Amino acid sequence: SQTIHQWPATLVQPVGSPLSLECTVEGTSNPNLYWYRQAAGRGLQLLFYSVGIGQISSEVPQNLSASRPQDRQFILSSKKLLLSDSGFYLCAWRALSNTEAFFGQGTRLTVV
Amino acid sequence: EDKVVQSPLSLVVHEGDTVTLNCSYEVTNFRSLLWYKQEKKAPTFLFMLTSSGIEKKSGRLSSILDKKELFSILNITATQTGDSAIYLCAVGSGTASKLTFGTGTRLQVTL
Repeated sequence: SQTIHQWPATLVQPVGSPLSLECTVEGTSNPNLYWYRQAAGRGLQLLFYSVGIGQISSEVPQNLSASRPQDRQFILSSKKLLLSDSGFYLCAWRALSNTEAFFGQGTRLTVV
Repeated sequence: EDKVVQSPLSLVVHEGDTVTLNCSYEVTNFRSLLWYKQEKKAPTFLFMLTSSGIEKKSGRLSSILDKKELFSILNITATQTGDSAIYLCAVGSGTASKLTFGTGTRLQVTL
């Protein structure tokens, strides 16, 4: 069966520090991968999505970047965090474009 | 720019009430509409709709899509406190599997 791993679960980082969040999927190949950010009690904002290795689509101009170095690995990064980068980050995968998406358990990032 | 809007933003009802949650969308090359329930961390899948007018049903929850008017509704009958959650609508679009979520509806069911 397929599983998605996302870590860490919580992270407190100072302003100006770098960020690296990792997401990996097991049990499937060629997944579509997604990074979302969620403000408290609100909907999910699509940040990046990827349909293959090295293929990244960016939705919102911001202080973040994404990379997909391997088929089932999706990384969210920042060189210098801002206070506004705080939030709940969710990674998700889909097998095909018309199937349900499965989510990781999320990372709660607090920038102080 | 793809847009998915949900209403209401929040809702408080009494146990046993019936609720209707709305999701409207404007996207390029619509492919599917999905509903999720989020209680704590990871959203959990409820329904996926691709055709107009065909109701999907699971227990007390049901959903239908109108591709002409570009909206979907999620109905919950005989609500229970366990239905308290954020309900998320998402639209799949384009040729590259884009999946855009809406603003979410926070539902609180009280005794």
